[in-house]
Amino acid sequence: DAKTTQPNSMESNEEEPVHLPCNHSTISGTDYIHWYRQLPSQGPEYVIHGLTSNVNNRMASLAIAEDRKSSTLILHRATLRDAAVYYCILRDVIGGGADGLTFGKGTHLIIQP
Amino acid sequence: GAVVSQHPSWVICKSGTSVKIECRSLDFQATTMFWYRQFPKKSLMLMATSNEGSKATYEQGVEKDKFLINHASLTLSTLTVTSAHPEDSSFYICSATSGRRETQYFGPGTRLLVL
Repeated sequence: DAKTTQPNSMESNEEEPVHLPCNHSTISGTDYIHWYRQLPSQGPEYVIHGLTSNVNNRMASLAIAEDRKSSTLILHRATLRDAAVYYCILRDVIGGGADGLTFGKGTHLIIQP
Repeated sequence: GAVVSQHPSWVICKSGTSVKIECRSLDFQATTMFWYRQFPKKSLMLMATSNEGSKATYEQGVEKDKFLINHASLTLSTLTVTSAHPEDSSFYICSATSGRRETQYFGPGTRLLVL
């Protein structure tokens, strides 16, 4: 899987929007951009994924740059429960569900009350 | 969303004993299950991939004779840590996918402490 680069940590205030960046300059045309998050002492949970167009779901929005070399996960109104490590992961669509995920260091999101 | 459970949630054992961890997909059939390990303040590392009814594929550096994986049904995979030693103490997490989906669904993890 192609490599991603994320800031080690970010801080935000409760009830404010959070923009978590991810750089993936070596992304290939068949790579999906996936985001997972891991709350303290829990297994990761799926957040969102996309290929080219921006995506929205009940948890977050994913904004993908036109050249696909970067993306931003947007939490529209952060709560204390959103404090977690957020992982941006590229997944080759050709591999489908057959391959395990390669986790980087992720971004540790801290939410201040 | 799909639910994956793990049992036990935590276990303490003596060095030299074996420990079995179960991973179940509760509301979908998992054609593929994955086992990860996470040391404190580190990222998850993939240990092995298992497909129902076939032998697991282990990542480089993971001893297949030490970490026995059985994926006997479409809803259950087990990881057995044989002859556990203190350095095997870690957070073990499984995930499952139905194969047609890109999304992996993770279990809550099992914390293993070997004394």
